[in-house]
Amino acid sequence: DAKTTQPPSMDCAEGRAANLPCNHSTISGNEYVYWYRQIHSQGPQYIIHGLKNNETNEMASLIITEDRKSSTLILPHATLRDTAVYYCIVRVSSRGGSNYKLTFGKGTLLTVNP
Amino acid sequence: EPEVTQTPSHQVTQMGQEVILRCVPISNHLYFYWYRQILGQKVEFLVSFYNNEISEKSEIFDDQFSVERPDGSNFTLKIRSTKLEDSAMYFCASSVVNTGNEQFFGPGTRLTVL
Repeated sequence: DAKTTQPPSMDCAEGRAANLPCNHSTISGNEYVYWYRQIHSQGPQYIIHGLKNNETNEMASLIITEDRKSSTLILPHATLRDTAVYYCIVRVSSRGGSNYKLTFGKGTLLTVNP
Repeated sequence: EPEVTQTPSHQVTQMGQEVILRCVPISNHLYFYWYRQILGQKVEFLVSFYNNEISEKSEIFDDQFSVERPDGSNFTLKIRSTKLEDSAMYFCASSVVNTGNEQFFGPGTRLTVL
């Protein structure tokens, strides 16, 4: 799986958009970008994933650059409960791939301030 | 909303003792996983399980570890002879096979080996 690079920490004001960057310059054509988060030693929580198109769900938006070498997770209106470590993970999808494990890095600690 | 559950939430054991950590995955999921997180470190993959057999395991998952799905609902991780360095949070996860294969994690079991 391709390696990812994320800033170790970021701050965001409550109610503002949080934009979390991730670099994955060695991503392969069949690898997806996944985002998970972990709130204070709880189990990681799936947020969103995408291949090359931008994606949006009830939690967040994922913007992937055209060359797919980087992406940004956007939390449109961050709340205090969004304070967590956010992990960007690149991995093949289940189609044709047998490697389903997730390889977590150190992630970005997002602190949402009141 | 269905969720992965784990018991116990905290297990304290003496070095050399056997422990069994229990998980109830989401009912229609077909893939099951164990991860661990030593305090202050990254989440690490241990093993994945599908169709009643191990699909993949990490080098951490040595002969002291085993997994089992004894019935239609439980998924267990056994550590035969615990060591001090096995102290960690152990997370169970499950997923269905689809294009995303997003994994849903349980709240974890904190294992403390004395």
